[in-house]
Amino acid sequence: DAGVIQSPRHEVTEMGQEVTLRCKPISGHDYLFWYRQTMMRGLELLIYFNNNVPIDDSGMPEDRFSAKMPNASFSTLKIQPSEPRDSAVYFCASRRFLGHNYGYTFGSGTRLTVV
Amino acid sequence: GENVEQHPSTLSVQEGDSAVIKCTYSDSASNYFPWYKQELGKGPQLIIDIRSNVGEKKDQRIAVTLNKTAKHFSLHITETQPEDSAVYFCAASNLESGGSNYKLTFGKGTLLTVNP
Repeated sequence: DAGVIQSPRHEVTEMGQEVTLRCKPISGHDYLFWYRQTMMRGLELLIYFNNNVPIDDSGMPEDRFSAKMPNASFSTLKIQPSEPRDSAVYFCASRRFLGHNYGYTFGSGTRLTVV
Repeated sequence: GENVEQHPSTLSVQEGDSAVIKCTYSDSASNYFPWYKQELGKGPQLIIDIRSNVGEKKDQRIAVTLNKTAKHFSLHITETQPEDSAVYFCAASNLESGGSNYKLTFGKGTLLTVNP
């Protein structure tokens, strides 16, 4: 089990550019979550999917943020255009609905810096 | 929605001492309370969790207690070691069957430093 895989690990981009973060969940997991971590706000849920369908996107800050899950093994979080206040660590996590293990498995995160 | 408060924000202990981190939650429907450990440069990792039908759970040097009436839960680490140094997060969720509230709401985290 390779765990949740995120890419890239680090991203530095200029304000106004488009940024795409990628996530591969654990095979068999049917829930996928995108979180943003900052010192000020901690871990914030942005959006989550169940069986590739977005269930709750109320945490997405604004229309500049969008997320997709075209299949069970891949999801993207896109920011267009990016702004310096988007600088944060973005985590993807997945879990399986059935079974007694309710915990999430997090990826290693993408550290985004917008200059 | 759910709101989780976590205290303290930083905690420094001597190796071998115990450490206690406390959290309160606002939604009485929450019934699942996990704790995560985050080491530098890594994602949070689940270390222990508890469901609302249980008051206490232990796993070696780690224990979690839950008081549903008061809506608070705590993480206890005994015989702390330098490798316990990390940021610890509590979280809460409602796992009721048929509900869509499988999202976790996290506390702001506690930076634990264990001094050798």
